Parts: sequence; structure tokens; C-alpha cells
Amino acid sequence: DTGVSQNPRHKITKRGQNVTFRCDPISEHNRLYWYRQTLGQGPEFLTYFQNEAQLEKSRLLSDRFSAERPKGSFSTLEIQRTEQGDSAMYLCASSSQVATEAFFGQGTRLTVV
Amino acid sequence: EDQVTQSPEALRLQEGESSSLNCSYTVSGLRGLFWYRQDPGKGPEFLFTLYSAGEEKEKERLKATLTKKESFLHITAPKPEDSATYLCAVQAPASSASKIIFGSGTRLSIRP
Repeated sequence: DTGVSQNPRHKITKRGQNVTFRCDPISEHNRLYWYRQTLGQGPEFLTYFQNEAQLEKSRLLSDRFSAERPKGSFSTLEIQRTEQGDSAMYLCASSSQVATEAFFGQGTRLTVV
Repeated sequence: EDQVTQSPEALRLQEGESSSLNCSYTVSGLRGLFWYRQDPGKGPEFLFTLYSAGEEKEKERLKATLTKKESFLHITAPKPEDSATYLCAVQAPASSASKIIFGSGTRLSIRP
């Protein structure tokens, strides 16, 4: 296991379509985060899991967004009825315990046309 | 509300010209402050964690320091390969059990 893995790396979709991204964290990490990043900005928190439990969701996360982490291993982030404003880099990170660093994947670049 | 502000937004240096990047934070109880490096089109790469005022960490040409209100990332004699966006982030108990909040970053460019 060499790090956090995200798939796909790039996704182009038409407005109104649903998309799903996958994140495989570092194997011994029980905490998993999803972030969104737009050009020139820092990563923006979306949601956080501890094992399979989703403990926090950003107020910015609309009802069109849903995340799961079945069995506390990989996680998926689904966006329904995509809008052009959803175009961004979606980043996944994992960590082993609170107050230690999170390690990021390479991200999934979403373009909504 | 927990907040992280980084300055400057962009910094251009000549190779070998040392400088510092600033990260000011407002949190109710700091659990940890992190520095990351991000190259274009890639995810952030972890550099340092600082936990308490007075703490310092070093890695090659980089040194991170922490006070009660801000952190500095000092870069000594930088090389062109140090060009990247440097992100500062904090983790605070008041915001959540584990949420990490990022600043907007400093885009560093080193000219040969």
C-alpha cells in the first residue's frame, strides 16, 4: 500500500448526470475525509468518516451530494444531477488518529459541461 | 469561527533568495497545525505537523515554526524545484472531532 488512491483521475460529464468517485485510503487508517478544491483556493471540507460512521458533513454539502464508507474501508462520493458549479478537484484524505496529519490522494478532476 | 489566512497570496523569488510564508489562524483550541505542498493538478503532499507554540520542524530547505497566533514556513536558499503552492491547515476541537481547515495557500515561484 503506497498511499491514498482515487478513481477516476478525471471525469467529464454532462450537466444533470450523476457521477460517483471512489477513494481507497491507506489500509490502517480509520479516518477518511473528502474535500473539494477549485482553482486558486485551498481544499474545502465536505465530509468526514471515522470507520464506517459519517461523523460530520459541511453545511455547504447540498442534498445532491452523498458519501458512504461501507465496512469502514473504501469510500464513495456521489453527486446527483450535476451542475456546472460542481466542476472542481475532489480530494480524499485519510489519517490514523485525531491531531495527526492527513494524507491525500491525487484527486478526481470533475468537469461538468 | 475557525479561520486560516495565508500571506502573501503569491511570492516570486530568485534562486537562493531566502524568505518566509505566513499563516495566521483563529481557532478555539488548536490540536495541530499542518503544512502541505501542492503541485499543479496533484493532491497536497504532507510536510509538517506542529502542536504547540515554540515548536519547530525542519526538512531540507524548509523550516516551520509556530506561535500562539501564527506559523511561518521559512525557505532557505530555495531552488526552482521548490516552486509550488504551500498550504497551511489547522485542526481544532471546537469545530469538530477531526475536521481540518485549510487556508487559500501561497503560490511560490523560484526563478533560476
